[in-house]
Amino acid sequence: DAGVIQSPRHEVTEMGQEVTLRCKPISGHDYLFWYRQTMMRGLELLIYFNNNVPIDDSGMPEDRFSAKMPNASFSTLKIQPSEPRDSAVYFCASSLIELGGGVYGAQYFGPGTRLLVL
Amino acid sequence: TQLLEQSPQFLSIQEGENLTVYCNSSSVFSSLQWYRQEPGEGPVLLVTVVTGGEVKKLKRLTFQFGDARKDSSLHITAAQPGDTGLYLCAGARAGGGADGLTFGKGTHLIIQP
Repeated sequence: DAGVIQSPRHEVTEMGQEVTLRCKPISGHDYLFWYRQTMMRGLELLIYFNNNVPIDDSGMPEDRFSAKMPNASFSTLKIQPSEPRDSAVYFCASSLIELGGGVYGAQYFGPGTRLLVL
Repeated sequence: TQLLEQSPQFLSIQEGENLTVYCNSSSVFSSLQWYRQEPGEGPVLLVTVVTGGEVKKLKRLTFQFGDARKDSSLHITAAQPGDTGLYLCAGARAGGGADGLTFGKGTHLIIQP
């Protein structure tokens, strides 16, 4: 398997522009996560899906952020309009999560999208 | 307030030295994972610990889960430059479901040749 695929790897845009980040999870994984990573705040969970259904979006910073998962092999994270404070590395991860008895499977991360909003 | 506190935040040591980094919480976890993240890449799972007091070894890395399942440590023996990276712990709280997973902010480790 190719692992989790994210595109683009780098994105530079101007404030106010729409940004769309894409993710293809590992086939067969039924959980998909979107994270944002900065030096100040570390790795923050934005939203996660189970079987393509959004379960918890409480980490989404504001209404400018939206995420979709139209099918089991594709998800998008959209920022509209983008702001300089959105600059960060955005990771997508997929997992089988709970294996039973409170034991969790590994989260497999993509390489990330490095977003810079000028 | 960070649910999982990792310390130290930064550590720079010479090749060949030993080190220990910590992951602490006031919450009880059903399992805890350690990830390593190299520059420009996503985190990669190193180990999952489940039982209080459990010790797992991965070559020169030794992972321990606290008896009360509230904390964990990672010990590296004879550190090498290839160990450089960001070490993240992630805890799964009792109750199940993906919302029980929390990541610490990590320890940035640099091993100097």
